[in-house]
Amino acid sequence: KNQVEQSPQSLIILEGKNCTLQCNYTVSPFSNLRWYKQDTGRGPVSLTIMTFSENTKSNGRYTATLDADTKQSSLHITASQLSDSASYICVVISDRGSTLGRLYFGRGTQLTVWP
Amino acid sequence: NAGVMQNPRHLVRRRGQEARLRCSPVKGHSHVYWYRQLPEEGLKFMVYLQKENIIDESGMPKERFSAEFPKEGPSILRIQQVVRGDSAAYFCASSPTASSGNTIYFGEGSWLTVV
Repeated sequence: KNQVEQSPQSLIILEGKNCTLQCNYTVSPFSNLRWYKQDTGRGPVSLTIMTFSENTKSNGRYTATLDADTKQSSLHITASQLSDSASYICVVISDRGSTLGRLYFGRGTQLTVWP
Repeated sequence: NAGVMQNPRHLVRRRGQEARLRCSPVKGHSHVYWYRQLPEEGLKFMVYLQKENIIDESGMPKERFSAEFPKEGPSILRIQQVVRGDSAAYFCASSPTASSGNTIYFGEGSWLTVV
């Protein structure tokens, strides 16, 4: 069964601190993995896209890693800001055969940054 | 969110009424996806459409739900005879092709409340 599991479910950190969010998946065939940020009441916004051959990709204070062998990804946020408070969603895409165009979503990690 | 327009943003319906949610994809995008997000849960795939074609509707409930993406005009998600359990946020996303390398853009969502 194609699944995407995220941990922790929720996380509270102090402003300026770093944190790491985890994503494990069983989606097959795998095409690429994406991290999205979803503010409350808004649609998801793309942070990174990682293909099978990419191990690390950065977007400002966000750094995503991917281990395609163990089917794990992480999103590291450095020097957190209050505006980082949001749900971070791991999405795995399988775009071949019967799963063409399918996105598999994790349930998200709800991050709260306190001043 | 680069141009995916959803309306209405908020919709209230009484049990048994019909709900119609509209999605205008980014200009030039021919692939549209619909997702549902229940309170405190992650996004769940519903249907994937290209212009005038339903590619994958495996996530759609068998009854009362239908979707279309006509040659002209927005994509429509239609829910007939709504029930309280249909209350959720419905997100639309679009991409230029099904290619895995493309960014998929999400709309801001339509919040349906059934009373």
